[in-house]
Amino acid sequence: DQQVKQNSPSLSVQEGRISILNCDYTNSMFDYFLWYKKYPAEGPTFLISISSIKDKNEDGRFTVFLNKSAKHLSLHIVPSQPGDSAVYFCAAVPSGSARQLTFGSGTQLTVLP
Amino acid sequence: EPEVTQTPSHQVTQMGQEVILRCVPISNHLYFYWYRQILGQKVEFLVSFYNNEISEKSEIFDDQFSVERPDGSNFTLKIRSTKLEDSAMYFCASNLGGGQFFGPGTRLTVL
Repeated sequence: DQQVKQNSPSLSVQEGRISILNCDYTNSMFDYFLWYKKYPAEGPTFLISISSIKDKNEDGRFTVFLNKSAKHLSLHIVPSQPGDSAVYFCAAVPSGSARQLTFGSGTQLTVLP
Repeated sequence: EPEVTQTPSHQVTQMGQEVILRCVPISNHLYFYWYRQILGQKVEFLVSFYNNEISEKSEIFDDQFSVERPDGSNFTLKIRSTKLEDSAMYFCASNLGGGQFFGPGTRLTVL
């Protein structure tokens, strides 16, 4: 049951350009969404989150957009840097839960110098 | 910057043996979690823990699994009788609310 989907397993972007990572969800009970970055042999690193009462949240080079009607969120990284190369996971939390995360399958971002 | 730590980084065990994976969450956090990631698969929720008791657990977290917060700093995951399919990366996480902060993981290999 894939409640959170990342349909692009990989993405390559030139350094300095925008990276756009996409995520779709099916569970309308999700009310909080997060993006994590993961390097090999490390744990996921929290990047940015957004509550369902908002449609945009920005933190430095990272912006998350939420379209509730489409059940879609995206992460924009501008400008992309080679150090951003990692696997990016979106995750979602249902309302009323003990905040367990449901993860997508991840997108491998490669930023080319 | 405070961080979640986990030990050991790699644990190798024989099938049927008990293992204990250890975590030290960030000190002022109140919620604690265990997740696992089987090679090539998604990160999956196992259990959440708050106020010294399990808040929620997934179907994966069966009677072979248990968690404990034996003192004010450690949070442990015990697998009583390991199976081959328990081989995975196990991640501990903690938070106050909002984003969960993950440890580096323990790679468990069951032979």
